[in-house]
Amino acid sequence: QSALTQPASVSGSPGQSITISCTGTYNDIGGYNYVSWYRQYPGEAPRLIIYDVNIRPSGVSNRFFGSKSANTASLTISGLQLEDEADFYCASYTSSGSLLFGGGTKVTVL
Amino acid sequence: QVQMNQSGPRLLKPSQTLSLTCVVSGDSVSSNTAAWNWIRQSPSRGLEWLGRTYYRSKWYYAYAVSMESRLTINPDTSKNQVSMQLNSVTPEDTALYYCTRETKLASLDFWGQGTLVTVSS
Repeated sequence: QSALTQPASVSGSPGQSITISCTGTYNDIGGYNYVSWYRQYPGEAPRLIIYDVNIRPSGVSNRFFGSKSANTASLTISGLQLEDEADFYCASYTSSGSLLFGGGTKVTVL
Repeated sequence: QVQMNQSGPRLLKPSQTLSLTCVVSGDSVSSNTAAWNWIRQSPSRGLEWLGRTYYRSKWYYAYAVSMESRLTINPDTSKNQVSMQLNSVTPEDTALYYCTRETKLASLDFWGQGTLVTVSS
């Protein structure tokens, strides 16, 4: 299975909003509402920030918003802050029962 | 708070077997609401799901197609840990390996600290 497709990098200025896309197929994103997003700082393990397409775990900022349309999921970060500089990954459950990740997006705050 | 503490060798030679253990605290590996996954990360392959085990009246196992001939995941309820064994490693298996808890499909809410494994002759 090929990885989900994410842009390699996205940038924005403090206070702006940015959106990261994650494109799959009907066998993963399009077929299930089991899409999650992770933020990873250098040297750390990924941290779950969105699950079930648009649910934030307790303690995650409401500046993170998840959505999905057809085979593409999206993560929007509003009110961009310096602390948002990190790598972001999407993941989806698949029809074969596996878990498929995106290639990752590096977010830069200008 | 769930904690997942990984251990295992960090340097292997090609053809050897990689064995990693993940000791879980704050939850039970035989919980009916969790699954225990192994994930790896490398610059060339990114994040890659390897497999999972979970208990729902009996133990279930699922492996990535690319791994199923070489990978075994074993729960040990007496030690509350999950281990993985990857046979016949090659340099392409060099990666940072994580154990994770999954409480909803595709929702990996707790991660181990990661183990950097290098395969080199």
